[in-house]
This record gives sequence, C-alpha cells and structure tokens, in this order.
Amino acid sequence: QVHLVESGGGLVKPGGSLRLSCAASGFRFSDYYMSWIRQAPGKGLEWVSFISTSSSYTNYAESVTGRFTISRDDAKNSLYLQLDSLRVEDTAVYYCVRASREVDYWGQGSLVTVSS
Amino acid sequence: DVVMTQSPLSLPVTLGQPASISCRSSQSLVYSDGNTYLNWFQQRPGQSPRRLLYKVSHRDSGVPDRFTGSGSGTDFTLKIIRVEAEDVGVYYCMQGTHWPYTFGQGTKLEIK
Repeated sequence: QVHLVESGGGLVKPGGSLRLSCAASGFRFSDYYMSWIRQAPGKGLEWVSFISTSSSYTNYAESVTGRFTISRDDAKNSLYLQLDSLRVEDTAVYYCVRASREVDYWGQGSLVTVSS
Repeated sequence: DVVMTQSPLSLPVTLGQPASISCRSSQSLVYSDGNTYLNWFQQRPGQSPRRLLYKVSHRDSGVPDRFTGSGSGTDFTLKIIRVEAEDVGVYYCMQGTHWPYTFGQGTKLEIK
C-alpha cells in the first residue's frame, strides 16, 4: 500500500526558510518521478515542482523558481522541498505526490504558514 | 500556461440523479506520445485529493463505475451516473501535458 507522509511544516516569518520532507513507502520509490503540489487555505491546487528519477531533471512553477529547491534521496525513500525567501502568499498545505503528469497518490499534506 | 476552465463551479444534485462537470483547456492536451494527460480528482471535505480518472477515461482501482470520463483535444467531461452521499466534495481536472501542469478551479458538488 502506497504511503506518503509529509513533515516539516510550521509557522515562519516572511523571508524565512523551511524544509519539507516526505517519507514514501509501499512502492519502489526510485522508479517514480515525485512532485510537490500546494493548496492555499480555501483555495484550489497549484503545482509547485517535480523531480525525475535519478534526480536528473527538475522543474518549478514560475512563482517559486529561484526560491524553492526539490531533491530526493532514493536510499532513504524520501523527497524534500527546501523553501527559502518565503512570502505570505506561500502559505498553503503542501502535498507530496507520486509521479508527475499522471500524479496518483497524495500524502496528507503539511501546512506552511508565512506570517509576521 | 494552459488554463483549465471548469463549469459549473457549484453543482447541487439530488441523490440518485446524474451529474456532469465540464473541463476545457486553452490548448490541446494531446502530448507528443499520442496520449492525452487529463486527470480528474475528488477532494472530500478535510481530505487530500484522490485521483478518479487518468488519461481522460481510465478509472483508478477502487473507483466506482458510476464515474466516467470522456472528451478529447480541449473539451472533457466527468459524469457521475447516480450521485451518492459520499460523492460530496470538490472535483478538479488537471492537465499533465504542458508544463506547468495546471488544475481547474474546482467544482463543488453538494446534495440538494
């Protein structure tokens, strides 16, 4: 059974940083692209980033390019998202999801709140 | 970016009656490999999204067969043959053909 469990969210001031982690289980992690998708409170879904197998390729939404960095550790079955230079508008639940263009499984989400 | 436009945004439905959600894209969603990467997700209140359909019409394991997807090019539809109480939530279409992948605004289905 596929499980994706996010951690690392919390309250941070504008300009601050956070690192989100996602622990994956129930499937061969190294075989899959992985992604982060976010949802602002009461709003819709926005793609943030994806990373290919072997970390050979990454892509980012324009709104986070240069501020967020996606990475993975296949030995630890883990996905990460480094969030730097955070803005109030980055406040959202961040979901770890399996795959990219055919995203299927989602984690429960980790809330990031950016506020002074 | 490809804009995904859903309608209606609010969908009150009587139990046992059908429901239909339209999703239109600003560009064709046919990818260079010949596939059309159009997914449908259901988000029940307080839960993470769950994929219902992928590549327009392929139903995920465990998804009731009352959910069907159709369409091509830029025009897609999610249909629920007979709405049940557990179908309450927000439905999103998502395109995975052009980066950045994008979602529709969401359609909130409620029981009348």
